[in-house]
Amino acid sequence: DAKTTQPTSMDCAEGRAANLPCNHSTISGNEYVYWYRQIHSQGPQYIIHGLKNNETNEMASLIITEDRKSSTLILPHATLRDTAVYYCIVRVPLGFKTIFGAGTRLFVKA
Amino acid sequence: DTEVTQTPKHLVMGMTNKKSLKCEQHMGHRAMYWYKQKAKKPPELMFVYSYEKLSINESVPSRFSPECPNSSLLNLHLHALQPEDSALYLCASSQAPGRGVKEGGYTFGSGTRLTVV
Repeated sequence: DAKTTQPTSMDCAEGRAANLPCNHSTISGNEYVYWYRQIHSQGPQYIIHGLKNNETNEMASLIITEDRKSSTLILPHATLRDTAVYYCIVRVPLGFKTIFGAGTRLFVKA
Repeated sequence: DTEVTQTPKHLVMGMTNKKSLKCEQHMGHRAMYWYKQKAKKPPELMFVYSYEKLSINESVPSRFSPECPNSSLLNLHLHALQPEDSALYLCASSQAPGRGVKEGGYTFGSGTRLTVV
């Protein structure tokens, strides 16, 4: 599975959009991009995934570049409860190896 | 039911004890996972079960013994652990490859916080 690179930490003001980048330059043609987050002392929570098209659900939007070498997770109106570690992961469809990197620690400030 | 339930939430055990962690899901997922997470580190994959058979063992020491008695249950049996095994143990489930199965994410439980003394 391809590796990902994310910033160590980011800040965001409450109510503003949080844009979390992820680089995955070695992604293979059939690998999906997944995003999870982990709020302190809880299990990771699945947010969204995509292959090549932009995706949106009730939690977030995922923008994948045309060459698929990077992506951005967008939380449109961040709240204090969105403070968490956000993990970007790439893996093959229905693959069993979801390997977590260091992730981005997002701090949402009032 | 869209949850993965892990019990107990907290466990303190001695190095000579035998204990078990339990994980249960009723979403019809046929893949189940154990992860280990040390403080301020990302989760690390330990074991994967697919259709109740062990598919992946990430070179985990034999003092950790997984078991999948049926499609809804996953156990992790612990014996002769060391203090460095203290961690948050996370269970997850997901769809497994099969006809008509759609790609999707994993559902994680809240974990068992294990302390070995």
